[in-house]
Amino acid sequence: GESVGLHLPTLSVQEGDNSIINCAYSNSASDYFIWYKQESGKGPQFIIDIRSNMDKRQGQRVTVLLNKTVKHLSLQIAATQPGDSAVYFCAETEAGNNRKLIWGLGTSLAVNP
Amino acid sequence: SAVISQKPSRDICQRGTSLTIQCQVDSQVTMMFWYRQQPGQSLTLIATANQGSEATYESGFVIDKFPISRPNLTFSTLTVSNMSPEDSSIYLCSVVRGGGYTFGSGTRLTVV
Repeated sequence: GESVGLHLPTLSVQEGDNSIINCAYSNSASDYFIWYKQESGKGPQFIIDIRSNMDKRQGQRVTVLLNKTVKHLSLQIAATQPGDSAVYFCAETEAGNNRKLIWGLGTSLAVNP
Repeated sequence: SAVISQKPSRDICQRGTSLTIQCQVDSQVTMMFWYRQQPGQSLTLIATANQGSEATYESGFVIDKFPISRPNLTFSTLTVSNMSPEDSSIYLCSVVRGGGYTFGSGTRLTVV
């Protein structure tokens, strides 16, 4: 079946370093991708999104890269801070699929001071 | 983006009982989604709730176990019925508005 998965279940980085979280997807018809951050005891919080007609999008300290050829999505966090410690999920959806999101497995990011 | 108020934030329930979770949105939205998130895992969609129609359930979820109400465009409830310890999880509601998805803070349910 269709799936979205992550390469690394956990990631530990030093404060100030850059973080890269990866995600693979299998539905070539997906056209919208989102990264979420989930802190303990909270619901997922939107970070950044990208549509399939783009291969890169930048936000504040975050960049999302989309490689449709290999069905790969990544989230780059610049100058990682302790407040970035959370679980990060990628999600995808396909136009016309009743707006349902397909979720990746999640990567736990730990930032060491 | 929409603001969602979800209640209760947590509860501990006896097996065999039922719990109703409420989600109130600060604006009218067409589609609301209910998710389950088991400890240490990703989100699994339970059902999609549209106002004025029956909810659409995903594979593995049935209306008798997870009845949903959607009386208007700003409110929905999810009931977890006849609970067992396997229902211990975080339950989340979500809405999509203007192309963006917003989530409630979740209900952490423990069944004992």
